[in-house]
Amino acid sequence: QQQVKQSPQSLIVQKGGIPIINCAYENTAFDYFPWYQQFPGKGPALLIAIRPDVSEKKEGRFTISFNKSAKQFSLHIMDSQPGDSATYFCAASNAGNMLTFGGGTRLMVKP
Amino acid sequence: DSGVTQTPKHLITATGQRVTLRCSPRSGDLSVYWYQQSLDQGLQFLIQYYNGEERAKGNILERFSAQQFPDLHSELNLSSLELGDSALYFCASSGGQLWENEQFFGPGTRLTVL
Repeated sequence: QQQVKQSPQSLIVQKGGIPIINCAYENTAFDYFPWYQQFPGKGPALLIAIRPDVSEKKEGRFTISFNKSAKQFSLHIMDSQPGDSATYFCAASNAGNMLTFGGGTRLMVKP
Repeated sequence: DSGVTQTPKHLITATGQRVTLRCSPRSGDLSVYWYQQSLDQGLQFLIQYYNGEERAKGNILERFSAQQFPDLHSELNLSSLELGDSALYFCASSGGQLWENEQFFGPGTRLTVL
């Protein structure tokens, strides 16, 4: 009931491509869905987040799409750059409680 | 820089020992969360404190304990250490209201148990 499933585990795209990372959740009580970016040796950094009352949110080159009925959400990175190469985690929480994380996606953007 | 600080950055110790990890939340944040990141288990929630009180517990071993002090800094105590406790330990903090969701992570403490 608390799981968040993330796919793919790894992704390689060319510079300028649009990597898409998908997550699915089970617990319908989740009301907050953030994405974190983590570089090697660093802590996860909050990238963008969405609540279930909207279907899409954009911040710069990052877009979250949210499908409440399917209990799925995804991250799109427009015009990807080599500097975007990192591990991305989706997560979910309920009413300010702890985050339940997906397993992570290692993204490599080739120049 | 998230504003969350953690010390030490690295810790190397032996099995059976006890260590203390320290976290200072962002200024004004009342909630502190501890997470463990290992290769096989991913990012796992351990425990949350809100304004000095324990609020939620996750998959935290009985050998582990935590507390939040009046100045809001928090410490995670790990005792009777085992090889499998080697991991990255992150602290995160969030805002003044219980329902505020945005969590900001510190740089982590890398624990190596030999």
